[in-house]
Amino acid sequence: DQQVKQNSPSLSVQEGRISILNCDYTNSMFDYFLWYKKYPAEGPTFLISISSIKDKNEDGRFTVFLNKSAKHLSLHIVPSQPGDSAVYFCAARGTDKLIFGTGTRLQVFP
Amino acid sequence: ETGVTQTPRHLVMGMTNKKSLKCEQHLGHNAMYWYKQSAKKPLELMFVYNFKEQTENNSVPSRFSPECPNSSHLFLHLHTLQPEDSALYLCASRRDRDSNQPQHFGDGTRLSIL
Repeated sequence: DQQVKQNSPSLSVQEGRISILNCDYTNSMFDYFLWYKKYPAEGPTFLISISSIKDKNEDGRFTVFLNKSAKHLSLHIVPSQPGDSAVYFCAARGTDKLIFGTGTRLQVFP
Repeated sequence: ETGVTQTPRHLVMGMTNKKSLKCEQHLGHNAMYWYKQSAKKPLELMFVYNFKEQTENNSVPSRFSPECPNSSHLFLHLHTLQPEDSALYLCASRRDRDSNQPQHFGDGTRLSIL
């Protein structure tokens, strides 16, 4: 049973527009959430994180929102750029383990 | 340059072979991890080492045998693997197991079992 779910396997967005990637989780004990980005033939790269005591964290073009009551988090990228095209993984920390989602492939087209 | 280096990048082996995957980090981290990524599945944690001691074995079959001789190096010894073990194997490190810092990943070893 997957504790972290990314229900959209892919997303296509025009350059300059907003990309919204979603992630749902089931375990209310998760205290820390992260987003990783992965290019083909490379390992995941850390992008942004948020603690469960916050509801928003912003870093440049990337903003993560956390809705604890809905057990939902989202990553907003604005404006989207072609170089953002990659697979995005959501991860949640339970005790000292990271639980990953299956990823969403984002394609940003000109 | 990720700071976490995995070799080899690709490995093809038969079911009766014995091989090892290597991971090296020069980030001064004390926690190291092995993950398995199969097609269309989330990353699965396999092993965790903290200060060279194994702290987590996520019900991994004994045909996978990890070794952590020091905080900078992590190995995954493979023997008599099965076709379903074909996957991308990722190594990661973190300052320490209890740190709030993110894990840094290597680029992985793509393993194919014939």
